[in-house]
Amino acid sequence: DVKVTQSSRYLVKRTGEKVFLECVQDMDHENMFWYRQDPGLGLRLIYFSYDVKMKEKGDIPEGYSVSREKKERFSLILESASTNQTSMYLCLSSGGMNTEAFFGQGTRLTVV
Amino acid sequence: KNEVEQSPQNLTAQEGEFITINCSYSVGISALHWLQQHPGGGIVSLFMLSSGKKKHGRLIATINIQEKHSSLHITASHPRDSAVYICAVGRGGGADGLTFGKGTHLIIQP
Repeated sequence: DVKVTQSSRYLVKRTGEKVFLECVQDMDHENMFWYRQDPGLGLRLIYFSYDVKMKEKGDIPEGYSVSREKKERFSLILESASTNQTSMYLCLSSGGMNTEAFFGQGTRLTVV
Repeated sequence: KNEVEQSPQNLTAQEGEFITINCSYSVGISALHWLQQHPGGGIVSLFMLSSGKKKHGRLIATINIQEKHSSLHITASHPRDSAVYICAVGRGGGADGLTFGKGTHLIIQP
């Protein structure tokens, strides 16, 4: 079974804290993505990576950064969490064009 | 205008009914995905298709590339089918990920 694992299901953080969301996949996929999902807005791409140490901005990168030091792990970093970053965060892993997409179980982050 | 449009946004039906959810897209794609998300749950891939039709159990997905349209059908619907169904398109190249519709919230009443 393909596994895309996110480090936490639920997370509560305070405004201004540095937050790390981790995503690990065991399929040797090159492409990994971070999305946030909000009611009425659907899924929006934050950052993606197509190789180790490579990263590209998605549609809403402001307030976020990412790290991909190893192929299997893609981390999303909130440098200084704000309440408008309260959301469901989803990691996606893909082997490339025309291949199936695999999601992590999601992390529901609340910033208070 | 969104690149991926789904209809309806919300759908409530009785158990046993035949369900159709539609997806239209306005860009060239390499593949189209249908995804399912149960309340409070993660997202699961149901189908990936680039032409024709696929069937898995009571679920059927079709795509018409010329018309840029796809449908997801559920036969003999059941309350456990209640979920959000999301259409997503791959633009090719893999690295640019998927573009998502906003989802269809389906409720099947017993």
